[in-house]
Amino acid sequence: AQSVTQLDSQVPVFEEAPVELRCNYSSSVSVYLFWYVQYPNQGLQLLLKYLSGSTLVKGINGFEAEFNKSQTSFHLRKPSVHISDTAEYFCAVTSYNYGQNFVFGPGTRLSVLP
Amino acid sequence: NAGVTQTPKFQVLKTGQSMTLQCAQDMNHEYMSWYRQDPGMGLRLIHYSVGAGITDQGEVPNGYNVSRSTTEDFPLRLLSAAPSQTSVYFCASSYGQGPGDYGYTFGSGTRLTVV
Repeated sequence: AQSVTQLDSQVPVFEEAPVELRCNYSSSVSVYLFWYVQYPNQGLQLLLKYLSGSTLVKGINGFEAEFNKSQTSFHLRKPSVHISDTAEYFCAVTSYNYGQNFVFGPGTRLSVLP
Repeated sequence: NAGVTQTPKFQVLKTGQSMTLQCAQDMNHEYMSWYRQDPGMGLRLIHYSVGAGITDQGEVPNGYNVSRSTTEDFPLRLLSAAPSQTSVYFCASSYGQGPGDYGYTFGSGTRLTVV
């Protein structure tokens, strides 16, 4: 079985400050990892994904994430956030052994304050 | 615009009523799925399909039925609505046999309230 933990349910941060949203996963097989963003009253949009290769992954809107296999983590970072980054962020894990179905974390609500 | 279209956007049902949530995609994706989103629980998989005529259960299938008669459409049926089915429902699709390589394309969701 696979599982995803997002320890921070809410993260408030001031505009132009850096932010890190934490994601840890549990799996007995090799995984693919994703971050999705959900703006208010909208569906989810793909931010970035790790399938293989370089452990530092760059995504849209200036976000990046680093895969750390030994710590089973895939933390999301942005060096300087904007008001428009206010949204809910979901980490997800899948693998071929899981039929490629995703397991989502509970989400982290990022609030960017002026 | 290409993408995943869900209807309706909002729905209120009485306990015991049945209804169908519609999902259509025009990207020729083989893989389609239904998730429900509840506060603090993320998204949980209800049912999925890897192609027309093929469906399977996800994590929380009880109380829901699906069918896949065409590549484009993947409706979700609530047989007898219960208050525990109050949630936001998302349909998602992907290339190939699953979202592992390309990720999902999500619809905008259906907010369902059962009273």
